[in-house]
Amino acid sequence: DTEVTQTPKHLVMGMTNKKSLKCEQHMGHRAMYWYKQKAKKPPELMFVYSYEKLSINESVPSRFSPECPNSSLLNLHLHALQPEDSALYLCASSQSGLGGYEQYFGPGTRLTVT
Amino acid sequence: AQSVTQLGSHVSVSEGALVLLRCNYSSSVPPYLFWYVQYPNQGLQLLLKYTTGATLVKGINGFEAEFKKSETSFHLTKPSAHMSDAAEYFCAVIGGSQGNLIFGKGTKLSVKP
Repeated sequence: DTEVTQTPKHLVMGMTNKKSLKCEQHMGHRAMYWYKQKAKKPPELMFVYSYEKLSINESVPSRFSPECPNSSLLNLHLHALQPEDSALYLCASSQSGLGGYEQYFGPGTRLTVT
Repeated sequence: AQSVTQLGSHVSVSEGALVLLRCNYSSSVPPYLFWYVQYPNQGLQLLLKYTTGATLVKGINGFEAEFKKSETSFHLTKPSAHMSDAAEYFCAVIGGSQGNLIFGKGTKLSVKP
């Protein structure tokens, strides 16, 4: 099974709200990723967790806060977002961050900030 | 630094015709290369990958790609297009020490009946 699940599928939030995106995989993968994708653009890397430790933060604003509670779960906490943060948020996982392993993507969360 | 360039932001073919989507890479080390497909409002699905070994790589849905080091290319082909192939296609290379992907800008494939 190569499934990565993401919830919710859609999310509408105001600029003062706090919400969280959730990602889960049960493939035993030890690297997990958050990407942001704007319309008609490729995904852009936000964060990388390797063995449950944050290893890359691509200069993402602090209103995005990642969390990796265990090796199967990845959260993205959202607070005080701006309308320009509206996008598709994709989670991915791979066996390891080393060795050129492929990444498996979830279906994404479509976020709209009003 | 690793990077990929996809030639053509939009490719249109007739059903049954050959599909050719172009990708060139830049890498100072032997690259790990991937093709992903994205259908509207969905995540990315892995089509195929090249790591080492055989340079002709077969993937899902009848797609294949050939790694050509001399041309720094990794073009995606399919002998006969189907309407269900209409989607956005991304070429990607492993770009960092943590296995993060560097994507090309994408090519939108349209298939005419």
